Amino acid sequence: QVQLQESGPGLVKPSQTLSLTCTVSGDSINSGDYFWSWVRQPPGKGLEWIGHISYTNASHYNPSLKNRITISADMSKTLFSLTLTSVTAADTAVYYCARVGFTYGHIPYWGKGTLVTVSS
Amino acid sequence: SYEVTQPPSVSVSPGQTASITCAGQNLGDKFVCWYQQRPGQSPVLVIFQDTKRPSGIPERFSGSNSGNTATLTISGTQALDEADYYCQAWVGRTVVFGGGTKLTVL
Repeated sequence: QVQLQESGPGLVKPSQTLSLTCTVSGDSINSGDYFWSWVRQPPGKGLEWIGHISYTNASHYNPSLKNRITISADMSKTLFSLTLTSVTAADTAVYYCARVGFTYGHIPYWGKGTLVTVSS
Repeated sequence: SYEVTQPPSVSVSPGQTASITCAGQNLGDKFVCWYQQRPGQSPVLVIFQDTKRPSGIPERFSGSNSGNTATLTISGTQALDEADYYCQAWVGRTVVFGGGTKLTVL
């Protein structure tokens, strides 16, 4: 059974950098056929796709966030990471990591999510 | 950039059929999936590849996708189906979510 677990600080100051890590178990990031993705959800609002990375290190990002995000993967440690720079209160959200199907783009596996609050 | 649109809310009586739409330009040419999200929980995939149900999802959930509209249909709606539902399109190797629909079972 594939499991994903987010980790990182729950509080980030405005203008600083948000960094989160997703640890994958039950699967290997370099197994192919998947993208490893980040999705966020501001309190009381809908889902927003942030971006994802494949085992070949090919990445795709949400155009609205593209200038501030980097997604990287450590194949040997089966984890991938998100970096979001210059955060504001609008970046306060539950951040999920997830596995995306390569062909149909569906997401059968999600982490439990971690709340990140941007506040001074 | 590509967008998909859902109604903010849909209401249905127990035992009746609920239909939630997702609209986007030529959406029928893209793969669509649907998620159910209950408060405080991660989304759950209920339909993928337009019409397929993952293992463990009840048969009362079905999907269709044609033209500019995809539809999630819940037949014989139960109280436990009350949740937020999100459509998602697969567009050029990117994920596009709809804004979500709150399904109320009255």
